[in-house]
Amino acid sequence: GAVVSQHPSRVICKSGTSVKIECRSLDFQATTMFWYRQFPKQSLMLMATSNEGSKATYEQGVEKDKFLINHASLTLSTLTVTSAHPEDSSFYICSAPGGLGPGLNQPQHFGDGTRLSIL
Amino acid sequence: SQQGEEDPQALSIQEGENATMNCSYKTSINNLQWYRQNSGRGLVHLILIRSNEREKHSGRLRVTLDTSKKSSSLLITASRAADTASYFCATDSGPFGNNDMRFGAGTRLTVKP
Repeated sequence: GAVVSQHPSRVICKSGTSVKIECRSLDFQATTMFWYRQFPKQSLMLMATSNEGSKATYEQGVEKDKFLINHASLTLSTLTVTSAHPEDSSFYICSAPGGLGPGLNQPQHFGDGTRLSIL
Repeated sequence: SQQGEEDPQALSIQEGENATMNCSYKTSINNLQWYRQNSGRGLVHLILIRSNEREKHSGRLRVTLDTSKKSSSLLITASRAADTASYFCATDSGPFGNNDMRFGAGTRLTVKP
């Protein structure tokens, strides 16, 4: 089945550091990928839609300059949290639809998430 | 913004019992999907039901969709301790499908051995 790999799984770093998270579709191509943020015991909040070869679409309230998204190939999207601060600590998850051949109504395939802790 | 809302928020049952979780949403949809999340992990896709479908089965899972009431239910039969997880519904309301997924707050299911 379709697999999405997310790396790293855990990051602990100092305030002011920029952190890059990678999301790869391993056995299918993904022109679109999604980035979510999840707080403990809460739902996933969509942050942005990553579009291959074009600019990402950000949800209202998400700072574009804070959360940089790059989708340079059909199998890789990256999220960079720039100058991270403790309030950016969270669980970040990516997903990509597809894996069932052409057509709509595809399931989302999720990475295992990245737990980011900013000290 | 949130779209799906699951209820109950938490459910605790004994192994072997059935578990039913409900999801309500507000706008028209292309499809509705149910996912499972183990603590600290990503989500695993369980079932996708299209807006023109009313019921779908997959192993011990049964999903229903009532678009007139804008609601869906997930039934897990003969539950096992390994079914303990959080379950989320998500609606796809985008114009082309496969986008604009919105998740509910989830139901935390505990199955006691």
